[in-house]
Amino acid sequence: RKEVEQDPGPFNVPEGATVAFNCTYSNSASQSFFWYRQDCRKEPKLLMSVYSSGNEDGRFTAQLNRASQYISLLIRDSKLSDSATYLCVGPGGSYIPTFGRGTSLIVHP
Amino acid sequence: NAGVTQTPKFQVLKTGQSMTLQCAQDMNHNSMYWYRQDPGMGLRLIYYSASEGTTDKGEVPNGYNVSRLNKREFSLRLESAAPSQTSVYFCASSEEFYEKLFFGSGTQLSVL
Repeated sequence: RKEVEQDPGPFNVPEGATVAFNCTYSNSASQSFFWYRQDCRKEPKLLMSVYSSGNEDGRFTAQLNRASQYISLLIRDSKLSDSATYLCVGPGGSYIPTFGRGTSLIVHP
Repeated sequence: NAGVTQTPKFQVLKTGQSMTLQCAQDMNHNSMYWYRQDPGMGLRLIYYSASEGTTDKGEVPNGYNVSRLNKREFSLRLESAAPSQTSVYFCASSEEFYEKLFFGSGTQLSVL
């Protein structure tokens, strides 16, 4: 089993919709996680850090569910510009930052 | 403030050729990383340097070597390139190990 797993999607949603992605992890000792956004052929950029208390930034909310070992990213009021691939990061072996394969989001008019 | 700079942006190699990818950061970060990204595979860690003077293997180190030249610079070397090393390579840095990552703009490498 891969240490960090995501549903690749694509998630195809209309503008204004609410969409949520999950990311499961296997390292139960994990304390912190990250969500990155990657546009086509560009470098990943940090979207949010996720700690036990969760995190909210405008339309974006990230949560950590330790009991079920997953983190989530909720996007409210989706915009066309939110179309991208969303990557979660958790600790793998030796606590190295390990990426999931990414979830593709397409927001259409 | 350039952040993380990696060169070259594009490279085409023939099988068996060698090359070095350069990476430099100007944020005084302690940790640096090299990832590769292949379609459907996400980013996979090749090597990392948790702090100046140390380097360690990541998930996919075979066929690569690295050098942490100083705190700013972390290079990745392909000694004998193979078609399986065709990929997009990203260098990243973080203030401390396993903190938020800042990425360079990537190197598109093709090995023929």
